[in-house]
Amino acid sequence: GNSVTQMEGPVTLSEEAFLTINCTYTATGYPSLFWYVQYPGEGLQLLLKATKADDKGSNKGFEATYRKETTSFHLEKGSVQVSDSAVYFCALSPDRGSTLGRLYFGRGTQLTVWP
Amino acid sequence: DAGVTQSPTHLIKTRGQHVTLRCSPISGHKSVSWYQQVLGQGPQFIFQYYEKEERGRGNFPDRFSARQFPNYSSELNVNALLLGDSALYLCASSSRQGLGYTFGSGTRLTVV
Repeated sequence: GNSVTQMEGPVTLSEEAFLTINCTYTATGYPSLFWYVQYPGEGLQLLLKATKADDKGSNKGFEATYRKETTSFHLEKGSVQVSDSAVYFCALSPDRGSTLGRLYFGRGTQLTVWP
Repeated sequence: DAGVTQSPTHLIKTRGQHVTLRCSPISGHKSVSWYQQVLGQGPQFIFQYYEKEERGRGNFPDRFSARQFPNYSSELNVNALLLGDSALYLCASSSRQGLGYTFGSGTRLTVV
């Protein structure tokens, strides 16, 4: 089946620290992988995506590389800011490039950045 | 351009009542999906509609139903509400161009 496992939070960092949030997946096909961010009281915003193995998604200083050999899509940022405080969700779509399939989400990781 | 809009933003209902949630997709998007997000968990897929036809259904009871209208907007209906239906209900729209899903801000449903 299809599933996503994220490292459990909460994660608390000081400003300018390095961030890693681990994400591994199980999929039956050739999935696309996503990271979404949810700020307090809001819906989900797409942060970055990758549609095939070895692709690197990047946005706003965040990066994640699609690793088929380790079935992973870890989120990284070299220097976090207070404004990065949010909940981060890893997700997969089972059919690469398709937008007619469901998304499978991890449980989410709460990130808090202190000044 | 307007994003995905959902209404209402907040709702309080009593157990056993019925609720209708509404979603307007991004202009040009023909696919609408609904997700339930219980506090502290990731969103769970409920339905997907494309061109007014149901294209997928998650593991939810028959109390949950949805439809899509000719203008591609959508409604999610939940009958016989239970306390466990309290959640943030998210709508997402997408196009066929593989650009991903865009989510609305959600409707916060509280069942008392």
